[in-house]
This record gives sequence, structure tokens and C-alpha cells, in this order.
Amino acid sequence: TQLLEQSPQFLSIQEGENLTVYCNSSSVFSSLQWYRQEPGEGPVLLVTVVTGGEVKKLKRLTFQFGDARKDSSLHITAAQPGDTGLYLCAGRPRRSGGYQKVTFGTGTKLQVIP
Amino acid sequence: ETGVTQSPTHLIKTRGQQVTLRCSSQSGHNTVSWYQQALGQGPQFIFQYYREEENGRGNFPPRFSGLQFPNYSSELNVNALELDDSALYLCASSLPHLIGSTEAFFGQGTRLTVV
Repeated sequence: TQLLEQSPQFLSIQEGENLTVYCNSSSVFSSLQWYRQEPGEGPVLLVTVVTGGEVKKLKRLTFQFGDARKDSSLHITAAQPGDTGLYLCAGRPRRSGGYQKVTFGTGTKLQVIP
Repeated sequence: ETGVTQSPTHLIKTRGQQVTLRCSSQSGHNTVSWYQQALGQGPQFIFQYYREEENGRGNFPPRFSGLQFPNYSSELNVNALELDDSALYLCASSLPHLIGSTEAFFGQGTRLTVV
């Protein structure tokens, strides 16, 4: 059973379009991170959300943590070819005990066409 | 750049062989986690080391083992390699047990191919 489900799995859009990626779980997370990964590289941390209902903005990227801390979304405005990559959400379920067993989502592969 | 370095970057091994992957964590981070990432999928947690002891393990068989050294660098060892072990192996360092924070900083990964 996958703890964190992301949707869509694949997304191919034209430069300038807007998009939203979703990360959903039946578990409550104490915090949740979003990463972007390019081929052959490790994931790069974009943002951490901690408080239910929290919204964070990073230039054209807007991240939201659900009120119940079970889900999150990433919205990209006016996508650029440089946004192309694999987007991963990750978090530590509250039931995981005293150590940080971080669980990753299934990933959303984004392609922005010039 | 995260300051987490992994070596080697690429490796080809034969089925049945053993492999050791290495990771130097970011300065000040004493927790290291290892992940296996198959092509097109999210990383899967293998195990975590904190102060030189295994501190949590995912659903991986005992032939996946690790070490952490006093300087917090770490090794991942895989014995009796199987074809399905072909993947990108990622090391991540983090500060330990921070409530509400599980930020991990990743190395560039080691691409292991088993033939």
C-alpha cells in the first residue's frame, strides 16, 4: 500500500500553461516536503510545509498543506521548460515512531514543451 | 549543491556479486538515510543510520546492509546482487529527530546496473 499517492503521474503541457499536482494520503503527516528531481540527479528540496492549511510561495510555485495534514498540492503558474522534472512529495507519517522514516510519493513526471 | 556526495556515480556489476556504495553527509548532519529508486518511481526507504547505529529499516532483505562511521559518512552494502537491484541509490543526510521537520538533503546518487 502506497502511503502517498500523487496525481497525475505524467503531465505534458505547453510553456505558459498552469498546472496543479496533488499528493494525497489517508495518514496524517507532521510535515511534508516537495522535491524536484532531474534525470540522473538526486531530489532537490523545494519546500517544507508544517502547519495544516499552510500556503507557501516560491516564485511561480505555490504549495499548500491540507487542513488535516493528509494532503498537499503544488501549483505552477506559467510553466517554463526549466520546470521539467520529476516532482516528489515526501513526509513522515505521525505513526512512524521515534525516527524519521520518510515516505515518498509515487512522483509526477512533468514535461514543459517550449 | 547540498554538500552530500556519493561514490561512485555509476557502477556495473554481475549478478551474484557484492557492491559497496559510499556517502559523505552534509556538515553537521549525523543522520543518513539510504533509498533505492527504480526508473520512473519515487525513492523507496532502505534504512537509516543515526550515531553509527541502524535506526529504522524499510522492506529490504538482509543482504542490504550498512555502516555509519564516526565522521557520519556511510556505506551501503548489497550482497548476492540480483538483476532487480539495478536502480539509482540515493543517500540523504538530515538533522535528527527534529519535531515537524524531516528535510533531507540528497546526493546525486549512484546508478547501479546489474547484468
